[in-house]
Amino acid sequence: DTEVTQTPKHLVMGMTNKKSLKCEQHMGHRAMYWYKQKAKKPPELMFVYSYEKLSINESVPSRFSPECPNSSLLNLHLHALQPEDSALYLCASSQVSGGRDRGRPPLHFGNGTRLTVT
Amino acid sequence: AQKVTQAQTEISVVEKEDVTLDCVYETRDTTYYLFWYKQPPSGELVFLIRRNSFDEQNEISGRYSWNFQKSTSSFNFTITASQVVDSAVYFCALSKTSGSARQLTFGSGTQLTVLP
Repeated sequence: DTEVTQTPKHLVMGMTNKKSLKCEQHMGHRAMYWYKQKAKKPPELMFVYSYEKLSINESVPSRFSPECPNSSLLNLHLHALQPEDSALYLCASSQVSGGRDRGRPPLHFGNGTRLTVT
Repeated sequence: AQKVTQAQTEISVVEKEDVTLDCVYETRDTTYYLFWYKQPPSGELVFLIRRNSFDEQNEISGRYSWNFQKSTSSFNFTITASQVVDSAVYFCALSKTSGSARQLTFGSGTQLTVLP
């Protein structure tokens, strides 16, 4: 079983809906990530939180709003999405780069939320 | 700029066959990390291995083995005696040794299907 838990597993929403994706990890990792993955493509980085502060926003549209309430939780708030936003949204966590690991630590991914925007 | 090429889009083998997934990378850095991740149909990416560019020793873990050749910029992954449960998309990835998560570059992935 994955140590990063994402809910819900599937989500169907209309373009006017507001919904949230949730991610939780209890590995003591202080870096958390949101990735977007379209079918038959590699994951694309969206956001990175380091020590609960947003450190990277890869020019993601404002209809995606991340939130890191504490070191174990990561949310992605969705509002006014478009059909092209339909994808698998993956959460990941890791030790902070350059910390005790002294390098690039591996990412630990959740199972993802499969989002369909109608 | 970094680049990872997985030229094999799809591979299909029969159970118990050996299969090698190719990964070729480009980087101007002298030190870097290489990774392999497995993505089964359930969706999560599972970390398989991380290799530091300083360490060119090949690694074996059960039925999995990795051949790192710095001279040819390749980090190939072999599954011995493949099983149906090995069916998944496999991603090779390259990263700088430090810096932001932007520096993690994934290849396009290889879909492996193991037939019973």
